Amino acid sequence: QVQLQESGPGLVKPSQTLALTCTVSGGSVSSGGYYWSWIRQHPGKGLEWIGYIYYSGSTYYNPSLKSRVTISIDTSKNQFSLKLSSVTAADTAVYYCARYKNSDSSGYIFDSWGQGTLVTVSS
Amino acid sequence: DIQMTQSPSSLSASVGDRVTISCRASRSISRYLNWYQQKPGKAPKLLIYAASSLQSGVPSRFSGSGSGTDFTLTISSLQLEDFTTYYCQQSYSSPYTFGQGTKLEIK
Repeated sequence: QVQLQESGPGLVKPSQTLALTCTVSGGSVSSGGYYWSWIRQHPGKGLEWIGYIYYSGSTYYNPSLKSRVTISIDTSKNQFSLKLSSVTAADTAVYYCARYKNSDSSGYIFDSWGQGTLVTVSS
Repeated sequence: DIQMTQSPSSLSASVGDRVTISCRASRSISRYLNWYQQKPGKAPKLLIYAASSLQSGVPSRFSGSGSGTDFTLTISSLQLEDFTTYYCQQSYSSPYTFGQGTKLEIK
């Protein structure tokens, strides 16, 4: 059973870069067929897909965040990472990493999630 | 972007009740619709995928239906652990969007 675990600073100053890492265990980020994803949830609000990366390094970002987001992958460490630049208070949220895979029916599913990490943007 | 709209935003019900939550897409997404359950302080958990397929390990009291733009999640007989928040999500096209959530509360 694959497990994902987010790590990184819980507090980031405005205008700085938010950086989080997701460590995968029980599975490999080098396995084909999976898209390693970041999703966030503003306090008390709904879920927002940020983007994902394939093991080859191909990335796909939400256009609303694309200018500020970079997702990278480190297959040697079995990790993938998120960087979000020029943060403001509006980026305060719980950030989740998740695995996106083909459901073998119609479409893809977020079938495995990390427990989430709260990142607060404040001076 | 495809907008996902859930209704109602909140719902009061009793243990044993049958409840239905609706999700509407701003344009047709075929059957590319998933449902998640989220408990406070926890990550979402996949319940239903491809509109009506039950994820392994999920109780059979959960079911989904619909296609095109209109979808429903039905819980046939509410249990205490079901009183939490539910989200729909479309996987038809990027950006992959979620509904705003439906909070199920005890009456």
